[in-house]
Amino acid sequence: ETGVTQSPTHLIKTRGQQVTLRCSSQSGHNTVSWYQQALGQGPQFIFQYYREEENGRGNFPPRFSGLQFPNYSSELNVNALELDDSALYLCASSSQLAGVEQFFGPGTRLTVL
Amino acid sequence: DAKTTQPNSMESNEEEPVHLPCNHSTISGTDYIHWYRQLPSQGPEYVIHGLTSNVNNRMASLAIAEDRKSSTLILHRATLRDAAVYYCILRDVRGNDMRFGAGTRLTVKP
Repeated sequence: ETGVTQSPTHLIKTRGQQVTLRCSSQSGHNTVSWYQQALGQGPQFIFQYYREEENGRGNFPPRFSGLQFPNYSSELNVNALELDDSALYLCASSSQLAGVEQFFGPGTRLTVL
Repeated sequence: DAKTTQPNSMESNEEEPVHLPCNHSTISGTDYIHWYRQLPSQGPEYVIHGLTSNVNNRMASLAIAEDRKSSTLILHRATLRDAAVYYCILRDVRGNDMRFGAGTRLTVKP
């Protein structure tokens, strides 16, 4: 059984640019959630996708958007990057039927210069 | 949103039990109590969850106060591999997200 994978591992962008981060969910999972983790803080919920539809959103501006594909993999897009967007971006998948345990990937470290 | 309060850090000796406390005085009747931990350079991993009754699994035990306003994660014999940040999270049964706090950084001394 393959776990949650994320790509790329690290990324450096400049202010104003756009970025796309990718996540492959664990086999059999139809729900993907995205989190932002700033250095020294706990993860902050961005949004969740269930069966290709957004299914809940945290306190993030619209320039944070996402997609979920028919194979349940997902993308996080961030437009007009700001310095404060520098963080570890975590993806977590779960089975909506169980809805209990979320399985996290290792994250993508984004640095905005 | 209901909030949790945890100590910033705790220390334990290897092979001794560890009790990690969490206060959640504003918990609602539909909130589950979840615990996750994050090892260095990894994503968080699930530890345990419960609603009202105490829970045990292969990783830990969860003791929930009778009024549900606090809970304690119990690691029965700490190992060096248990050194991590432990997060106590309230998650509504109908909710689609988990709202993490700052967590407790556990240091295990040999």
